[in-house]
Amino acid sequence: GQQLNQSPQSMFIQEGEDVSMNCTSSSIFNTWLWYKQEPGEGPVLLIALYKAGELTSNGRLTAQFGITRKDSFLNISASIPSDVGIYFCAGLWADRKLIWGLGTSLAVNP
Amino acid sequence: DTAVSQTPKYLVTQMGNDKSIKCEQNLGHDTMYWYKQDSKKFLKIMFSYNNKELIINETVPNRFSPKSPDKAHLNLHINSLELGDSAVYFCASSGAAGGLGDTQYFGPGTRLTVL
Repeated sequence: GQQLNQSPQSMFIQEGEDVSMNCTSSSIFNTWLWYKQEPGEGPVLLIALYKAGELTSNGRLTAQFGITRKDSFLNISASIPSDVGIYFCAGLWADRKLIWGLGTSLAVNP
Repeated sequence: DTAVSQTPKYLVTQMGNDKSIKCEQNLGHDTMYWYKQDSKKFLKIMFSYNNKELIINETVPNRFSPKSPDKAHLNLHINSLELGDSAVYFCASSGAAGGLGDTQYFGPGTRLTVL
């Protein structure tokens, strides 16, 4: 099935470090979404991006919608242990279908 | 207060059995979805219903049949379960198309194990 290219696949960092992950696609999207999934739970929306070039923050999280509409990145500043989880990017396709990245698994060492 | 709920949380069953997973949302959304998440964590859309009408039907075996009795419920029935059906199944819902309405809200998942 369709999927987005998300990198890195996994990260293991020290508490307090900044984190950056990105998603690329060969297709253009009008909406990019970033979700976080914690163990045993469903994905939860972190940030939604609707315009090319848009930069949006949610607390320590910042995401940008690439100008070509084919990519997006998510930054987490000053990571804390509760940032642990899997981060997914998703692009909105036709029929309101989301095309998902494979996820970035984040581990934070206190 | 639960927005999207699924039952059961865990389901362990034998190969060949038939089972159902139920999903309910109290968000007033008009679109509901079923996803399968495999062991590599990839989220694969299976079905989507809008106001009880099927709008997305990915390449899924006929053994999987969604049923939407009303727009707040989307159940998933699986016949003749196979080992490869073992996965976590997520239900999700979203509101009117456009902007924040496209945000999908997920249930807690149902972990299906077929023995």
